[in-house]
Amino acid sequence: GAGVSQSPSNKVTEKGKDVELRCDPISGHTALYWYRQSLGQGLEFLIYFQGNSAPDKSGLPSDRFSAERTGGSVSTLTIQRTQQEDSAVYLCASSFGLAGPTYEQYFGPGTRLTVT
Amino acid sequence: RKEVEQDPGPFNVPEGATVAFNCTYSNSASQSFFWYRQDCRKEPKLLMSVYSSGNEDGRFTAQLNRASQYISLLIRDSKLSDSATYLCVVNPNTGFQKLVFGTGTRLLVSP
Repeated sequence: GAGVSQSPSNKVTEKGKDVELRCDPISGHTALYWYRQSLGQGLEFLIYFQGNSAPDKSGLPSDRFSAERTGGSVSTLTIQRTQQEDSAVYLCASSFGLAGPTYEQYFGPGTRLTVT
Repeated sequence: RKEVEQDPGPFNVPEGATVAFNCTYSNSASQSFFWYRQDCRKEPKLLMSVYSSGNEDGRFTAQLNRASQYISLLIRDSKLSDSATYLCVVNPNTGFQKLVFGTGTRLLVSP
């Protein structure tokens, strides 16, 4: 079946511009997660959604970052006034549930963001 | 102390070798443990969940030791295609359902 999809796959933007990254989770998965991975670094948790609500926004690096999810499906991560330190791969994952094996997260291919 | 710690490696092994990685976690209340693999410039892919009783999937065996707070992954009969970074992943069960990823252990299998 279809996996997690993300768009765009690559995004180059100028410092100060806003960007929107999109994630389409696996059909039927109720939980959706955003991470970012800088070059040579581990995954950094940003935010997760259970349905359309985001119980934990603690990972968002600053108030320039926001995310929403509508219809329990597609999610958008928005970065306003991008900075060079925002350059990273932004990964989205989804899981069927939040307990035991249902918590297994499946990742999309990521969006590589470069801020010049 | 990091929530999840792994030896970054690299572990260089010949084809056919057996190799083991350990990972330690700091929160004793942690639940849900996983191993993921990540190839260069690719997204992480779930390798296996780790169950309390230990579990095996083909050449891969995962163990959980709650008393010592570590997880292990054993790979038998290594293949060239096993070359990747292996990520240890833990749900620290801090009230929010998020996973904490280790920075990974790099494995290089050579002919």
